[in-house]
Amino acid sequence: AQKITQTQPGMFVQEKEAVTLDCTYDTSDPSYGLFWYKQPSSGEMIFLIYQGSYDQQNATEGRYSLNFQKARKSANLVISASQLGDSAMYFCAMRGEGGSTLGRLYFGRGTQLTVWP
Amino acid sequence: DAGVTQSPTHLIKTRGQQVTLRCSPKSGHDTVSWYQQALGQGPQFIFQYYEEEERQRGNFPDRFSGHQFPNYSSELNVNALLLGDSALYLCASSDEGASTGELFFGEGSRLTVL
Repeated sequence: AQKITQTQPGMFVQEKEAVTLDCTYDTSDPSYGLFWYKQPSSGEMIFLIYQGSYDQQNATEGRYSLNFQKARKSANLVISASQLGDSAMYFCAMRGEGGSTLGRLYFGRGTQLTVWP
Repeated sequence: DAGVTQSPTHLIKTRGQQVTLRCSPKSGHDTVSWYQQALGQGPQFIFQYYEEEERQRGNFPDRFSGHQFPNYSSELNVNALLLGDSALYLCASSDEGASTGELFFGEGSRLTVL
């Protein structure tokens, strides 16, 4: 079974500083994908970054980077130069990479990030 | 290019009633998945539709059913509503042929059962 663990219910960071949101996972699938989504109060889940289990390099998307440590089964999200608009709930998610599993994500419980001026 | 659209955005029902939620996928997407997100929780997978058939299903009772139409839009139906069905229902679409299969989510339908 797939399991995602986010141990930080809430995180606070000052504007322009970097912050790391933790995520650990458990799976028996040999190939899998890891995702981070941002959910503002409007409810929409906004895709941030993706890391495939066989990718050699850590994924980066603008101010977002994913610190992937396969042996430790961790996939932490790093947000550099935080902005006030980054305040939201952040979810880590995982899926197997078989074709029929597309769309079936397993989510953690989320981390509420608050950026203060 | 319109993203994933869902309707209605908010609705209130009473126990025992039935509800239908609707979803139009992102243009070019052929797969639709539904998720239930209870307050303070991460989304939970309900089911996925591809080529008008239910392809995968999560751990939800038969009261939850769905449909996908030839234009790839989808409906989620919930019968005999319970208080515990109160949640945000998210629709996500994806392209079966895409390499990473990124999911695009709508803003959700917030259901309150009284």
